[in-house]
Amino acid sequence: GENVEQHPSTLSVQEGDSAVIKCTYSDSASNYFPWYKQELGKRPQLIIDIRSNVGEKKDQRIAVTLNKTAKHFSLHITETQPEDSAVYFCAATNTGNQFYFGTGTSLTVIP
Amino acid sequence: GAVVSQHPSWVICKSGTSVKIECRSLDFQATTMFWYRQFPKQSLMLMATSNEGSKATYEQGVEKDKFLINHASLTLSTLTVTSAHPEDSSFYICSVYTLAEYNEQFFGPGTRLTVL
Repeated sequence: GENVEQHPSTLSVQEGDSAVIKCTYSDSASNYFPWYKQELGKRPQLIIDIRSNVGEKKDQRIAVTLNKTAKHFSLHITETQPEDSAVYFCAATNTGNQFYFGTGTSLTVIP
Repeated sequence: GAVVSQHPSWVICKSGTSVKIECRSLDFQATTMFWYRQFPKQSLMLMATSNEGSKATYEQGVEKDKFLINHASLTLSTLTVTSAHPEDSSFYICSVYTLAEYNEQFFGPGTRLTVL
């Protein structure tokens, strides 16, 4: 089955700096890669996703890049703000019958 | 996206009792729902895939007789934790998988279960 690894597990940045979270996956058949933001005690919220036919996608301060050859994808947050502090999870799936999640990254943005 | 609700949001029960958690898809007919368990500061662990009108598919290591899943309608799936024990205390989250939103899943707000 698929194996998704996520790094780092914790990340602290100064407000205004950029944050990068990286994930690798093992199954070359995976074709959909969502990123979720989860605040304490709340549900995961989809913030951005990318499909295997695209190399990069951007939505305001958030971007995701995908390298299919190397089987890794990354989340980039620019101009970080305190409200970006949360736990971020990457995931990978093929048919959507099962989503494989990374272990999560706890992001702290220091004002 | 799909709107998903869960009930209850928080439940405390005594060891040995059974607890039922409901997951509802409010605006979408969901043929497939996922049930996850999340321990503090850990990732979401898929417990089972719930398919409307058929038996759920459980992940390896998840006891089907302990975590009973019923998906009797396109808008409701239930997870019953039978004979709950303190180690079952966790955050249980369901999600709806929708083909209409290609490969996306939408999460419920979660249910925090505390077993005393």
